[in-house]
This record gives sequence, structure tokens and C-alpha cells, in this order.
Amino acid sequence: AQKVTQAQTEISVVEKEDVTLDCVYETRDTTYYLFWYKQPPSGELVFLIRRNSFDEQNEISGRYSWNFQKSTSSFNFTITASQVVDSAVYFCALVNAGGTSYGKLTFGQGTILTVHP
Amino acid sequence: DTAVSQTPKYLVTQMGNDKSIKCEQNLGHDTMYWYKQDSKKFLKIMFSYNNKELIINETVPNRFSPKSPDKAHLNLHINSLELGDSAVYFCASSHPGQGNYGYTFGSGTRLTVV
Repeated sequence: AQKVTQAQTEISVVEKEDVTLDCVYETRDTTYYLFWYKQPPSGELVFLIRRNSFDEQNEISGRYSWNFQKSTSSFNFTITASQVVDSAVYFCALVNAGGTSYGKLTFGQGTILTVHP
Repeated sequence: DTAVSQTPKYLVTQMGNDKSIKCEQNLGHDTMYWYKQDSKKFLKIMFSYNNKELIINETVPNRFSPKSPDKAHLNLHINSLELGDSAVYFCASSHPGQGNYGYTFGSGTRLTVV
């Protein structure tokens, strides 16, 4: 069984603030992948990052950074100096890489981020 | 060159009708999926096919029937549409059999049942 929890339903910030979106996951598998997706108002799902369970290095991409901690089963996402264009729904997701998962990607409930000018 | 394409993008129909949503991928992936996004934005898997074989069938009403004529296509047929079927349906593909856990999603089909 696998589960992803995004406890923050909605976050509202003012432009240029930093914001962290939390993601906690549960899985019995030792090999798995974690993802973050962005869904802007236009509705498409935009891939942001994929991280496998053996790579706990933090990653930075421009204003985006991700903190993966296996000890707390968390994969948090931080946006630095937020902009209005960051307003979207953000999803954390997990897939077990074991043979019985068949690639089933499980999503968290999503966090609605609103960045005000 | 669209990787995963869904048609139609919007679908408005009356209760009781039967409708289909089509999905095609040109990535050579062996696995395709249907996800449903409800009004609260929650994304949940419905079905998955691997090389035309059904491998994931979540708790979905029998009115929903997927069909995969070949590994590049996965269509979703819905009988006797109900108001609660209104949602956005996303098709996706990946290649987990080859250890490729990259997912490509279609742009979604917004179904509105009136």
C-alpha cells in the first residue's frame, strides 16, 4: 500500500515571499520514486521533478528546491521569492518500483498556492 | 509533435448518454493509464493497461469500460452518464517495465454531465 499526504490544502502568500509545500509519504517498498507536479489554472499537469528513493541529495532548480528526507518520509518543495505565475495546484506523488505496483502513481490531495501581487 | 493526446478536450453531455474519450501516445511506452480528477482536484487512478492487457482496475463503476486496441491507444467508454461523472479525465503513459518511471500526461478531458 502507498499513501501520499499533503497536509496544506491552501497556502496564500505575497509575492517575493518564500513558501514551502509539505509532502509526507508511506510505502513498504524500499525502491520508489517521488514526484512533484504543477497544475496551473489552464489545467495541464506539468512535471517538476522525479527523485528515486536511493538519492537523498537535495535539488535546486532556479527558484525551486526540494528536500528529500527518508528518515521522516518527507519530500518537501520550496519556492524562493514566489511570483504570481507560481499560483497553481501542486501535487506530490509516489510510485513503487516493485513488480506488483504496475507503475501505479499515487497522488497527494494537492496544495493550492495563491501568490498575491 | 504531441506525446500523449486526448480527444475531445471538452465534452458536455446529458445524463444517461454514452460517451467515449480517446487517448493516443507516440512515445513507444508499454503502459497507459486513466486518471480522474474530481471537483476537489483529487487525482485518482482508474485503469491501467500494459501492452493491451488490463493490469490495474480500481474500484470504478461498471459503466466505465476501458479499451486498448493496441499499446499506443487507450480509450475510455462511459455508459449511462451520471452527474457525478463530471470531472477531468487524464490519460498518461509510462514504461515501468523497462524501469522508466517517467509519466507523460495528456492535457485532460473536461467532462460535464448536465
